[in-house]
Amino acid sequence: AQTVTQSQPEMSVQEAETVTLSCTYDTSESDYYLFWYKQPPSRQMILVIRQEAYKQQNATENRFSVNFQKAAKSFSLKISDSQLGDAAMYFCAYRSAVISVYSGGGADGLTFGKGTHLIIQP
Amino acid sequence: DADVTQTPRNRITKTGKRIMLECSQTKGHDRMYWYRQDPGLGLRLIYYSFDVKDINKGEISDGYSVSRQAQAKFSLSLESAIPNQTALYFCATSEQGAGVLGEQFFGPGTRLTVL
Repeated sequence: AQTVTQSQPEMSVQEAETVTLSCTYDTSESDYYLFWYKQPPSRQMILVIRQEAYKQQNATENRFSVNFQKAAKSFSLKISDSQLGDAAMYFCAYRSAVISVYSGGGADGLTFGKGTHLIIQP
Repeated sequence: DADVTQTPRNRITKTGKRIMLECSQTKGHDRMYWYRQDPGLGLRLIYYSFDVKDINKGEISDGYSVSRQAQAKFSLSLESAIPNQTALYFCATSEQGAGVLGEQFFGPGTRLTVL
């Protein structure tokens, strides 16, 4: 079974500064997806960024980027130019790529970390 | 209109009552999921369904049952609710097949309180 660990229960950053949220995972698979989801007080789960394990290039989405280190099983999220609207819970998640394609022979679903509460100070 | 909807959005019930949470989707996805979120624990998978005839237990299925009434509908039932089932419940959907990139799409969540 896979596990996802977020070691920072809470982080705080000044508005306009840069912050990095940490995530490590454990898996024996070679093909998988990694995600960062944002959960604001509205409680909606919003996809922030996605990384395919077979891609060496780190994913970026505007102010959000990841540092994906496959050998180290590390997947950190960097938020640049932090804004007040970035305040939320952030969850790192893992999903097997094989099960995403084929419905037999394994368990599906996302495996989540426990989350990091990000506070933006004005 | 939202692609994944959940009803009710909030529910308070008493210990021992039967309760059903419903999920509907207009995305046309085959796969549907139920997750539970507890403070400090992230989201955990309760049940998932590959299609109408294929339902599977997740990490924490004890005390829950599900029904996939149609491709678009997936219900979660608590046969006899207990206080430690107080949580936020999410329904999610995903496509199946190569090139899909694995994303799951979440409903708005149902806040369930069992007194």
